[in-house]
Amino acid sequence: NAGVTQTPKFQVLKTGQSMTLQCAQDMNHNSMYWYRQDPGMGLRLIYYSASEGTTDKGEVPNGYNVSRLNKREFSLRLESAAPSQTSVYFCASNPEQGADYGYTFGSGTRLTVV
Amino acid sequence: EDQVTQSPEALRLQEGESSSLNCSYTVSGLRGLFWYRQDPGKGPEFLFTLYSAGEEKEKERLKATLTKKESFLHITAPKPEDSATYLCAVIRDKIIFGKGTRLHILP
Repeated sequence: NAGVTQTPKFQVLKTGQSMTLQCAQDMNHNSMYWYRQDPGMGLRLIYYSASEGTTDKGEVPNGYNVSRLNKREFSLRLESAAPSQTSVYFCASNPEQGADYGYTFGSGTRLTVV
Repeated sequence: EDQVTQSPEALRLQEGESSSLNCSYTVSGLRGLFWYRQDPGKGPEFLFTLYSAGEEKEKERLKATLTKKESFLHITAPKPEDSATYLCAVIRDKIIFGKGTRLHILP
């Protein structure tokens, strides 16, 4: 009953450092998503992957890259972290992109950039 | 511009005091609307999908309704464990989330 698993849960970075946020789902979903959640801003889409081998930009992609490693795993990379990237990051999945199934979310990664 | 607005931003109720949360939207080509519950430090948890005006869905003390311009999440006789942030999201070619309503139920 794992669903969507994100690692790490917490991370502190110095400005300019890089890191990769990991996400894995065990529901055989085709589509996966990365969101960030900031106070007063709601959830905003960073990147998504409609299916294995494809990725597309969302609303706020600048400063991020993604890799859909296989059907299960979708990682988010910050190449040179900035304080503006301090946020809570959520990975989500659903059976098909564009289909109206409710997304399953992970428990989030709380990232602080100092 | 597509917009999703949730009100109120925060709501405090006594246990057993029923109320409604609002999600209004200005979106063309709406395909449906999601409601989610989010507990502190956790990811959103799916509650309902509504597809057409007049549709209603229920789960325990929650009932979601949809009109052409807004959706309501009615909470009947809430309990402290219903305390959470409730998010709505509209579905068109992408998902657009509202900022949420923080609900606190006092025992």
